[in-house]
Amino acid sequence: NAGVMQNPRHLVRRRGQEARLRCSPMKGHSHVYWYRQLPEEGLKFMVYLQKENIIDESGMPKERFSAEFPKEGPSILRIQQVVRGDSAAYFCASSSTGVPTYEQYFGPGTRLTVT
Amino acid sequence: GENVEQHPSTLSVQEGDSAVIKCTYSDSASNYFPWYKQELGKGPQLIIDIRSNVGEKKDQRIAVTLNKTAKHFSLHITETQPEDSAVYFCAASMSGGSYIPTFGRGTSLIVHP
Repeated sequence: NAGVMQNPRHLVRRRGQEARLRCSPMKGHSHVYWYRQLPEEGLKFMVYLQKENIIDESGMPKERFSAEFPKEGPSILRIQQVVRGDSAAYFCASSSTGVPTYEQYFGPGTRLTVT
Repeated sequence: GENVEQHPSTLSVQEGDSAVIKCTYSDSASNYFPWYKQELGKGPQLIIDIRSNVGEKKDQRIAVTLNKTAKHFSLHITETQPEDSAVYFCAASMSGGSYIPTFGRGTSLIVHP
């Protein structure tokens, strides 16, 4: 039973380039959450998606960041025109459609470095 | 919005000792409190959780207590082992709706053999 998968695990981008982070939820899970973690800090919520819908994007910067979770395929977090401040670990988590839907299971993360 | 404070930020214990990590939250509507363990280079792993209809929950060497009146909850690890060394995060959220947990800043637990 595969867990949450994220790729790539490490991503290096120059300032101004685009970063695409992928997340495949656990089998049977259709809720996906994206978080950002800066060194020695907790996880900061960015966006919550269900299939083909953005439910809550209150934690995501209005510019340069976007997320999607298509009917088929993984969820994508896209960062355009990256800046050094975007360097962080990005984690996605998934939860089931059943009740309770509280438990979130995290992927291994993508560590983005902007040079 | 919810605010979660976690203490201490670093905790160093000898193998076999107990470790306690404490969190406080601000929103009395929060009713679900998970704890995550994050090892170096990995994603957070859910280790135990508690809902507001219970005051304590135990799973082998790990226990969590919740005081709704005081709005604080704690993680207790007994008989610590070196493999318990990791960063531990508490979180608080409301069940139902979009369920967005607010995380504490983490506690780095070091267990010395």
